[in-house]
Amino acid sequence: DAKTTQPNSMESNEEEPVHLPCNHSTISGTDYIHWYRQLPSQGPEYVIHGLTSNVNNRMASLAIAEDRKSSTLILHRATLRDAAVYYCILRAGVGIQGAQKLVFGQGTRLTINP
Amino acid sequence: DGGITQSPKYLFRKEGQNVTLSCEQNLNHDAMYWYRQDPGQGLRLIYYSQIVNDFQKGDIAEGYSVSREKKESFPLTVTSAQKNPTAFYLCASSILGISGNTIYFGEGSWLTVV
Repeated sequence: DAKTTQPNSMESNEEEPVHLPCNHSTISGTDYIHWYRQLPSQGPEYVIHGLTSNVNNRMASLAIAEDRKSSTLILHRATLRDAAVYYCILRAGVGIQGAQKLVFGQGTRLTINP
Repeated sequence: DGGITQSPKYLFRKEGQNVTLSCEQNLNHDAMYWYRQDPGQGLRLIYYSQIVNDFQKGDIAEGYSVSREKKESFPLTVTSAQKNPTAFYLCASSILGISGNTIYFGEGSWLTVV
């Protein structure tokens, strides 16, 4: 199973940008990169995903390295509500039959200082 | 609204008892998953299923059992063989074979052994 590596924790200040890194050196050509975040005692929620090109949505941006072996989730202006554990996972490509064994790592615990 | 419903939210179990956690989804998703999360830790995969009457073991299946008699339901039984069952349990679902789609999570169930 393709694995990801993230820092255990990061800290930032409110209203500043946050860059959360993820390494996935064993990614295959059709794996999608997904990011989820989890608040305490809640199920994870979707943040963003991408394949090769950088992606933007209302929550965040995803910057994918040219060789796809790493990616960075960017929160442009962090708020206190962004404090959560952020998970980077890989999903097997389109057309892959059979259940995908979705493996979540430890994630990065993001602390936002007021 | 479409989504995943887990019940109960809180459950207490006496040692030696089996308990069953319910997971229902009305998203018409083929794939469903069960994860366990210990305090301050990441998600660990227990079981997953891609189709009715079929499921596969995840990384920590010992002491757990599942069934998939209906597409929308994927209950998890924590058996007495699970020696340390106190944890937060998360159910998830996704469309099979389309890796750009979101994984949806339930709100989780807290199980405590008393």
